[in-house]
Amino acid sequence: KAGVTQTPRYLIKTRGQQVTLSCSPISGHRSVSWYQQTPGQGLQFLFEYFSETQRNKGNFPGRFSGRQFSNSRSEMNVSTLELGDSALYLCASSVDGYGYTFGSGTRLTVV
Amino acid sequence: GENVEQHPSTLSVQEGDSAVIKCTYSDSASNYFPWYKQELGKGPQLIIDIRSNVGEKKDQRIAVTLNKTAKHFSLHITETQPEDSAVYFCAASKDSGGFKTIFGAGTRLFVKA
Repeated sequence: KAGVTQTPRYLIKTRGQQVTLSCSPISGHRSVSWYQQTPGQGLQFLFEYFSETQRNKGNFPGRFSGRQFSNSRSEMNVSTLELGDSALYLCASSVDGYGYTFGSGTRLTVV
Repeated sequence: GENVEQHPSTLSVQEGDSAVIKCTYSDSASNYFPWYKQELGKGPQLIIDIRSNVGEKKDQRIAVTLNKTAKHFSLHITETQPEDSAVYFCAASKDSGGFKTIFGAGTRLFVKA
């Protein structure tokens, strides 16, 4: 079966811009989580969605937001980009929150 | 706050030897402990997981142990092979009306042929 698909794979943005990243989960998976991965901070939890509801949120500023659609696809948005937002953004899906399957990520570079 | 400490940060073993990675978590409400392997250019891949009502779980060359009292859990890889070389992450999660997974900092494993 198809895995978790994240688009785009690479993105370059300028400081102050905003960006939207997309995630298509495995068919039948209703839980989608997002993570930020950087060499310095490792893997940090952003938020978790289940059936269009945000159930949990990590310690990130309000510039980071997300949503989930009725077909379980999810998007995350970062507004007013800063240089420190450069990272690999990973999406993962699961049927119920256990055993997440990760996508390959979107590498965001802010210049 | 919630924290997961992982040791060592780097581990180098000879092919055929065993590798052990240890983690400690802070949130006693954590009840699910997955382990992920990440290869270069890829997302983390779940390799084994354990729930808090189980003390040990094994899958071929990989095993995980959990000590809830000490809040410790460990990954054991036996008969290591060069293709086991990767970064391994432990994580702790809890089902509290939603999941929040906290990851360790990762262990870079090198298996020398």
